[in-house]
Amino acid sequence: QQQVKQSPQSLIVQKGGISIINCAYENTAFDYFPWYQQFPGKGPALLIAIRPDVSEKKEGRFTISFNKSAKQFSLHIMDSQPGDSATYFCAARAWKLVFGQGTRLTINP
Amino acid sequence: DVKVTQSSRYLVKRTGEKVFLECVQDMDHENMFWYRQDPGLGLRLIYFSYDVKMKEKGDIPEGYSVSREKKERFSLILESASTNQTSMYLCASSFRGATNEKLFFGSGTQLSVL
Repeated sequence: QQQVKQSPQSLIVQKGGISIINCAYENTAFDYFPWYQQFPGKGPALLIAIRPDVSEKKEGRFTISFNKSAKQFSLHIMDSQPGDSATYFCAARAWKLVFGQGTRLTINP
Repeated sequence: DVKVTQSSRYLVKRTGEKVFLECVQDMDHENMFWYRQDPGLGLRLIYFSYDVKMKEKGDIPEGYSVSREKKERFSLILESASTNQTSMYLCASSFRGATNEKLFFGSGTQLSVL
């Protein structure tokens, strides 16, 4: 049973554009929502994370928007660059992390 | 920097073989995890361990077992490999009880079962 649903499965964005990846969850016990970034041939690495007591967290060009009432959160990548091309996973934790299905992001130069 | 090392990058095995995937971490982390990664399914937890000689089933433990005899080493065992176990296997580790838990992943082992 997939407790975190991620969309889209793949995304192509032009350089300089905004990339948006969405996740939805059902379990209200989740208390921590990280995003992981994975480059080809590498394991995922923590990119940015948020706790449900705030609605937004920004780190450089990466922003998490969190909507507790809708049980949704999203990753926004501003001024997307070819180096951002990677697979992105959202996740949520109650007592263990549950990952979304992943989004393969391609930034065209 | 934390390093999580998986013993093999690519592995090809025959159906019915016993397969060992090894993982070692160098940061004295209490928690260790095994995930499998399949396109469209994301990362699914197979087994995890919070301490030496302790193990807990994850979401998809069938067909797998694990061993943690030392704190730094966590092994995944496929008792009798089957073709549906062809996948990318990722090991991860983290500190126990961290409020904002950060998983450190290895680079993965791409296992093909023929």
